[in-house]
Amino acid sequence: NAGVTQTPKFRILKIGQSMTLQCTQDMNHNYMYWYRQDPGMGLKLIYYSVGAGITDKGEVPNGYNVSRSTTEDFPLRLELAAPSQTSVYFCASSYSTGSSGNTIYFGEGSWLTVV
Amino acid sequence: KQEVTQIPAALSVPEGENLVLNCSFTDSAIYNLQWFRQDPGKGLTSLLLIQSSQREQTSGRLNASLDKSSGRSTLYIAASQPGDSATYLCAIRTGANNLFFGTGTRLTVIP
Repeated sequence: NAGVTQTPKFRILKIGQSMTLQCTQDMNHNYMYWYRQDPGMGLKLIYYSVGAGITDKGEVPNGYNVSRSTTEDFPLRLELAAPSQTSVYFCASSYSTGSSGNTIYFGEGSWLTVV
Repeated sequence: KQEVTQIPAALSVPEGENLVLNCSFTDSAIYNLQWFRQDPGKGLTSLLLIQSSQREQTSGRLNASLDKSSGRSTLYIAASQPGDSATYLCAIRTGANNLFFGTGTRLTVIP
């Protein structure tokens, strides 16, 4: 049982480049999330999805896009990378909403540097 | 907006000590509170989840409490071990969409 898998683990981008962070989960979870973690800061929600075909913005969505064509996959796309997007990105999933008390599972993170 | 604070930012204790990590939040209208552990270069691992209607949860040497009225939660670690060294984060869920995270307490257990 792999859980939540993110790729790549590390990436260096030049300003203006684009890339996609991949995320897949094998737990048949409905809910998936993308967070970013900046040094000394708490995790901030970028986008989330409550099921295939449904996505919505979180707290810090600018400069990012997502899609959810399958239950398993939730890629995050960075368009026109900027230094402010240098961060650690975490994908996460849960079976249902927090109101039912379900635990959220995280991937191991993707370290992105924009230079 | 929910604000989550964890103090201290870092803590060092000798092996075998019992310790308490603190988490405070500003809005008592929560769904649940979750404590996570994060090892360097790794993702977050869920330790304990306390639902809004609960007062505490226990797992092995860990005990988490929740006092919504005062906006506080504590994570108690008994008989600390060097393997407990990590950053501990608390997170508050206020709705279906989001967890509000604290900035964490970095714990070092000295052998």
